[in-house]
Amino acid sequence: EDQVTQSPEALRLQEGESSSLNCSYTVSGLRGLFWYRQDPGKGPEFLFTLYSAGEEKEKERLKATLTKKESFLHITAPKPEDSATYLCAVPNQAGTALIFGKGTTLSVSS
Amino acid sequence: KAGVTQTPRYLIKTRGQQVTLSCSPISGHRSVSWYQQTPGQGLQFLFEYFSETQRNKGNFPGRFSGRQFSNSRSEMNVSTLELGDSALYLCASSLEGGADIQYFGAGTRLSVL
Repeated sequence: EDQVTQSPEALRLQEGESSSLNCSYTVSGLRGLFWYRQDPGKGPEFLFTLYSAGEEKEKERLKATLTKKESFLHITAPKPEDSATYLCAVPNQAGTALIFGKGTTLSVSS
Repeated sequence: KAGVTQTPRYLIKTRGQQVTLSCSPISGHRSVSWYQQTPGQGLQFLFEYFSETQRNKGNFPGRFSGRQFSNSRSEMNVSTLELGDSALYLCASSLEGGADIQYFGAGTRLSVL
């Protein structure tokens, strides 16, 4: 069964305290891995797409990396405005829909 | 470029009623997907429409249905509402659907009393 698992479920950081979020998947024949950010009461906002192992993408304090079975979202020197739920998703094996993990809720305090 | 627009933003219904939600995709996007988001289950795929045809369907009962119009706008209907249908319903559009990048609307928050 195609599955996406994110850990941890929740993460509390102090401003400036770097950390990483994990997304592991079991879909074979990966057609891409997507990272989204979701703020309370809003829809998910697209951040990155990664397509092959070893690929990295960066945006401000965020860097996403991909291996054959998992992806990491590294947050460097986070600020309170980085507080949100981060979701990862992969297309199912048939490539017909996105399967989402349940997300990691990040809280950054000043 | 305008994003994905969902209306209404909030709805309160009672058990047994039906509801229709609307989604206007990004201009030029032909695929519209619908998702249900709940705290316990996360985001779950409902169905996808492409060029007015339902192309893919998730594991939801037949009470959930949808359609897409020639201008790519989509509607989702839920009949005979149950308490468990309370959720955030999200619409996402993409150029071709499937493994394409999907862009989400703000969602419709449905509360069933």
